[in-house]
Amino acid sequence: DTAVSQTPKYLVTQMGNDKSIKCEQNLGHDTMYWYKQDSKKFLKIMFSYNNKELIINETVPNRFSPKSPDKAHLNLHINSLELGDSAVYFCASSPRDVDTEAFFGQGTRLTVV
Amino acid sequence: AQSVTQLGSHVSVSEGALVLLRCNYSSSVPPYLFWYVQYPNQGLQLLLKYTTGATLVKGINGFEAEFKKSETSFHLTKPSAHMSDAAEYFCAVSKAAGNKLTFGGGTRVLVKP
Repeated sequence: DTAVSQTPKYLVTQMGNDKSIKCEQNLGHDTMYWYKQDSKKFLKIMFSYNNKELIINETVPNRFSPKSPDKAHLNLHINSLELGDSAVYFCASSPRDVDTEAFFGQGTRLTVV
Repeated sequence: AQSVTQLGSHVSVSEGALVLLRCNYSSSVPPYLFWYVQYPNQGLQLLLKYTTGATLVKGINGFEAEFKKSETSFHLTKPSAHMSDAAEYFCAVSKAAGNKLTFGGGTRVLVKP
């Protein structure tokens, strides 16, 4: 029973295309995140949502647009994909008010060709 | 702003030897500290965390870490390496357990037979 699930796991697409990555968590957490891991394995926060409300937007190009239809889902839509967008994207969730860590999905490896 | 420095991007240990991964952080508030492990092509799994209380924390798979405020460090150790410990290890800091994580650059551990 996967706690944080992302689809797809792998995504290969051409430059200029628009693509989406979906994330769902069944942990009942209020907060969800998108992190980007680049080719050197460096991990950085992109967005954070709390109960469907955007609370963190870390200097990410406007081509990236997160959407949270409900607190269990946080999708990431990317317009006009560029070669530099190739990375692994991780979704995570955490409860807001208790002493608990973030749980991560398995990641989506995006390759732009 | 918070930051995390992991000394050594690669560490090679012999099976049965001590594993020591170094992590230093900077934070303007009392930090929450985490170690995550990433196996190839997988997501991040929590090894252990420090939030409050005992400064020596024990985690899964025989790992432990000690929070040293005076040294702003949170080094990870395991007395005896196993082949299955070969992975990428990330130290991370946040202002609170439900807050965004700031990651170090990661340390890849190679275990030699």
